[in-house]
Amino acid sequence: GQQLNQSPQSMFIQEGEDVSMNCTSSSIFNTWLWYKQDPGEGPVLLIALYKAGELTSNGRLTAQFGTTRKDSFLNISASIPSDVGIYFCAGQNDNYGQNFVFGPGTRLSVLP
Amino acid sequence: KAGVTQTPRYLIKTRGQQVTLSCSPISGHRSVSWYQQTPGQGLQFLFEYFSETQRNKGNFPGRFSGRQFSNSRSEMNVSTLELGDSALYLCASSSGSTGNTIYFGEGSWLTVV
Repeated sequence: GQQLNQSPQSMFIQEGEDVSMNCTSSSIFNTWLWYKQDPGEGPVLLIALYKAGELTSNGRLTAQFGTTRKDSFLNISASIPSDVGIYFCAGQNDNYGQNFVFGPGTRLSVLP
Repeated sequence: KAGVTQTPRYLIKTRGQQVTLSCSPISGHRSVSWYQQTPGQGLQFLFEYFSETQRNKGNFPGRFSGRQFSNSRSEMNVSTLELGDSALYLCASSSGSTGNTIYFGEGSWLTVV
């Protein structure tokens, strides 16, 4: 079946640093979503991407839909302590369905 | 507008029992999907309902079932519970149209003992 790979698996950064993480797939996707999940909570949508090459920002977050449609990137600028959490990418190639494939997540720790 | 609401938030069941979880989607959303999250397998798609019909189904055994009502609220049921069914069950809703984006609830934590 379809699988997504996320890297890095985990990262420790200093407050104020920029962060980059990515998501790759062996399959082509039409939609890429990025989520953040805090312990004990459901994933919260950060950014949605619908077109190859699309670059979208949400505050300090920027994500891109790879031109090959097999990858996506998420950048966080000037990290702050509340950025701590697990970041998931999700991809889907069915325009109408909700059967997204999720990556295993990137665990981000921000050191003061 | 209210987000996705899931009940109950936490529950403990015994092996062999069955459980029903409930989800109320965002107002106006017609599509509801269910995901299982475990430390070992991550987030996995269970099934999706749109306008009371199952539109997509993941690779889970028949013990996992769901339904959607005319008001778009959805329930999922797991029968003959096994220890491995312990997980966070997440409901997500979307409008169901093209370029869809799914929004998650806070989840129902199920522990099977």
